[in-house]
Amino acid sequence: QKEVEQNSGPLSVPEGAIASLNCTYSDRGSQSFFWYRQYSGKSPELIMSIYSNGDKEDGRFTAQLNKASQYVSLLIRDSQPSDSATYLCAVTPGTYKYIFGTGTRLKVLA
Amino acid sequence: GAVVSQHPSRVICKSGTSVKIECRSLDFQATTMFWYRQFPKKSLMLMATSNEGSKATYEQGVEKDKFLINHASLTLSTLTVTSAHPEDSSFYICSARDETKRKNEQFFGPGTRLTVL
Repeated sequence: QKEVEQNSGPLSVPEGAIASLNCTYSDRGSQSFFWYRQYSGKSPELIMSIYSNGDKEDGRFTAQLNKASQYVSLLIRDSQPSDSATYLCAVTPGTYKYIFGTGTRLKVLA
Repeated sequence: GAVVSQHPSRVICKSGTSVKIECRSLDFQATTMFWYRQFPKKSLMLMATSNEGSKATYEQGVEKDKFLINHASLTLSTLTVTSAHPEDSSFYICSARDETKRKNEQFFGPGTRLTVL
């Protein structure tokens, strides 16, 4: 069974700190990896996509992919209270369908 | 770019009635759209993949006769919840892929909150 796992949290970090969110997946054939942010009562919003090993940076966000270890992470630098949300990891295991993790709830404390 | 709209945003209906939800890609064409449902504090559950011009592909355990999907154009997919019951109350979200530009990225509509009384 193809799985994507995340720590449900909540992960609490002080304002201005780095938040580190992790995701592991079971299918070695996975091709594409995504991080979505979801505020309570809203739909997911795409933050980052990553397809090859290494780091990808976009503003305060950095996605890291390690296919050998089957994990993908998201770093949020200079965390702000507005970053408080649930972060969903999604993986495409060889097809275009997503397998979602259960999400990590992030709380940034002012 | 890559905007997906959904209508209605919220609907309350009586048990036994049918509800139609529309999903539109506003600035791109989408041959493939997806329908998800989400229960409170849970992750998204894929219900079906909507394919333009052909039948939808339903995930295991999803009743295709209850959740009717029509993808009649490259910018519109509809989900009809037939004979709705209180257990169908949920947050329904659609997404779409822009296959000409983005590699496997899905863009989500704002969701429809369905309450069945």
